[in-house]
Amino acid sequence: GQNIDQPTEMTATEGAIVQINCTYQTSGFNGLFWYQQHAGEAPTFLSYNVLDGLEEKGRFSSFLSRSKGYSYLLLKELQMKDSASYLCAVSAVGLSGGSYIPTFGRGTSLIVHP
Amino acid sequence: GAGVSQSPSNKVTEKGKDVELRCDPISGHTALYWYRQSLGQGLEFLIYFQGNSAPDKSGLPSDRFSAERTGGSVSTLTIQRTQQEDSAVYLCASSLGPPGQVDSPLHFGNGTRLTVT
Repeated sequence: GQNIDQPTEMTATEGAIVQINCTYQTSGFNGLFWYQQHAGEAPTFLSYNVLDGLEEKGRFSSFLSRSKGYSYLLLKELQMKDSASYLCAVSAVGLSGGSYIPTFGRGTSLIVHP
Repeated sequence: GAGVSQSPSNKVTEKGKDVELRCDPISGHTALYWYRQSLGQGLEFLIYFQGNSAPDKSGLPSDRFSAERTGGSVSTLTIQRTQQEDSAVYLCASSLGPPGQVDSPLHFGNGTRLTVT
């Protein structure tokens, strides 16, 4: 949706750290999700944030600032298999007409090279 | 346990024909969603089921699109008189709890790639 913005594409080097940003504009924020989607496969759930701050899960961390309408996904110790599209999704009254159904951004295609 | 299953995985049809896409959610998941994904576009919401009822069908693009869910399980998305702009990957997802329950994320199937010629 046009109320959720992510960069279209990013490239990074194996072993490095990359930060994928997501900004959103809405009312009645309920939560924000990150999904990973490899080409030709189903999106798979990575993390969710409800409150401000950092949620860490192994090599992946996700940050949220509700006042700024901003989140990022941080990927550490990048591996070649991390090459995929990363989707930011927001659950909010303002984006879903009251149903809280997640609205997705267009995704960020991450290319990891040796 | 088994994940979300969709069939067929690929469907090629001629313009004007009707198609049916099937989704078998994870057992016990009460919520079921249909999205579609076009090249370079984000996931576009189509319809949401809670049990067998559809509280939100606001994303269906036209009256050629319909969906049903039976037995609180399998769902079928039907597209009548298909058009070339209907070509996309149709993704089904299910969740244990309702959409507002953030600790109940969506689990997606692999999708049906629909090509209308």
